Amino acid sequence: AQTVTQSQPEMSVQEAETVTLSCTYDTSENNYYLFWYKQPPSRQMILVIRQEAYKQQNATENRFSVNFQKAAKSFSLKISDSQLGDTAMYFCAFMKRNTGTASKLTFGTGTRLQVTL
Amino acid sequence: DVKVTQSSRYLVKRTGEKVFLECVQDMDHENMFWYRQDPGLGLRLIYFSYDVKMKEKGDIPEGYSVSREKKERFSLILESASTNQTSMYLCASGESYEQFFGPGTRLTVL
Repeated sequence: AQTVTQSQPEMSVQEAETVTLSCTYDTSENNYYLFWYKQPPSRQMILVIRQEAYKQQNATENRFSVNFQKAAKSFSLKISDSQLGDTAMYFCAFMKRNTGTASKLTFGTGTRLQVTL
Repeated sequence: DVKVTQSSRYLVKRTGEKVFLECVQDMDHENMFWYRQDPGLGLRLIYFSYDVKMKEKGDIPEGYSVSREKKERFSLILESASTNQTSMYLCASGESYEQFFGPGTRLTVL
């Protein structure tokens, strides 16, 4: 079974600064995906970024980037130039690469990020 | 645009009631999922379905059942609601590695 650990329950960052959210995972699988999801106060869960384990290059999406360390089983999210709209709960998630039946997500416990003026 | 809708944003029920939570997707996805979200526990998978009438248990299926009679609709059923089922329930649908989430239903069982 897979486990995902987010050790920072809450974080705060000032607007325009950079913040890094940590995530570690444990798996015996070799082919998998890792995700960061954002859940703002409106509750709609939104995908922020996805990393495929077989790709060495770290994924980036505009101000969001990851530091994927496969050997260390670490997957951190860096948010640059933080904006007030980045205030949300952030979840790290793991998915085994699957063929056949549906692929399931395993989530961490979340990090609540507050962006302040 | 991708759309997953859930029948209620907020729901209050009494202990022992039978509760139905409905989820509808308009993307013709094969796979649909029900998660439960609790503070400090993240999201946990209750049940999922990979085709009409096909279902599999997730990590915490006890006290729940599901129904998928049509491809676009996936229902979560609490046969006899209990106070420990007070939670946020999120539905998702997707293909391959993608999952799209609904807005969630906050259920309170009194």
